[in-house]
Amino acid sequence: RKEVEQDPGPFNVPEGATVAFNCTYSNSASQSFFWYRQDCRKEPKLLMSVYSSGNEDGRFTAQLNRASQYISLLIRDSKLSDSATYLCVVKASGGSQGNLIFGKGTKLSVKP
Amino acid sequence: NAGVTQTPKFQVLKTGQSMTLQCAQDMNHEYMSWYRQDPGMGLRLIHYSVGAGITDQGEVPNGYNVSRSTTEDFPLRLLSAAPSQTSVYFCASSFTGTGTSGNTIYFGEGSWLTVV
Repeated sequence: RKEVEQDPGPFNVPEGATVAFNCTYSNSASQSFFWYRQDCRKEPKLLMSVYSSGNEDGRFTAQLNRASQYISLLIRDSKLSDSATYLCVVKASGGSQGNLIFGKGTKLSVKP
Repeated sequence: NAGVTQTPKFQVLKTGQSMTLQCAQDMNHEYMSWYRQDPGMGLRLIHYSVGAGITDQGEVPNGYNVSRSTTEDFPLRLLSAAPSQTSVYFCASSFTGTGTSGNTIYFGEGSWLTVV
């Protein structure tokens, strides 16, 4: 089983749609979880951290299920500007970047 | 704000040539790292550093060297370029610790390298 797995997509959705991405991780000792966004031919940028209680930032909601080792990202009322690749990122214990594992990303395309 | 600056943005190398990808950050971050990103492979860690004078290997270190003589700079050296090193390279940095501020990683804009 790969360490961090994501559905690669692409997810093609119309503007205004709600779309959800899933991510599973294999290391039960993982402690920190994030979603990054990467536009075509650009660098990844932090979208949001994922907390155990779940968290929301505007149209974006992230959920964590430690028992199932599962992370999700929900995007409501999709905009054209949401088109990008979304990377699930998991960190094991410790503060070192050496413990970060990136998923391969899920591509989202929002159409007019 | 400069953030993380990588140079060059594009480079074509011949097999066997050596080169250095430069990375500099102006945020006084202790942690710096280099990733490569290949189609269908996601980001893979090459080398990382937790502070000046300290470096360690990541997932795919072979063929690359790094050094960290200052907090600001973290160059990546390709010793003898091979076609398998054709990729997009990202330098990244962050603060220390496990708090939220330490967990935000800032990436450079990327360096597109082609080895022929």
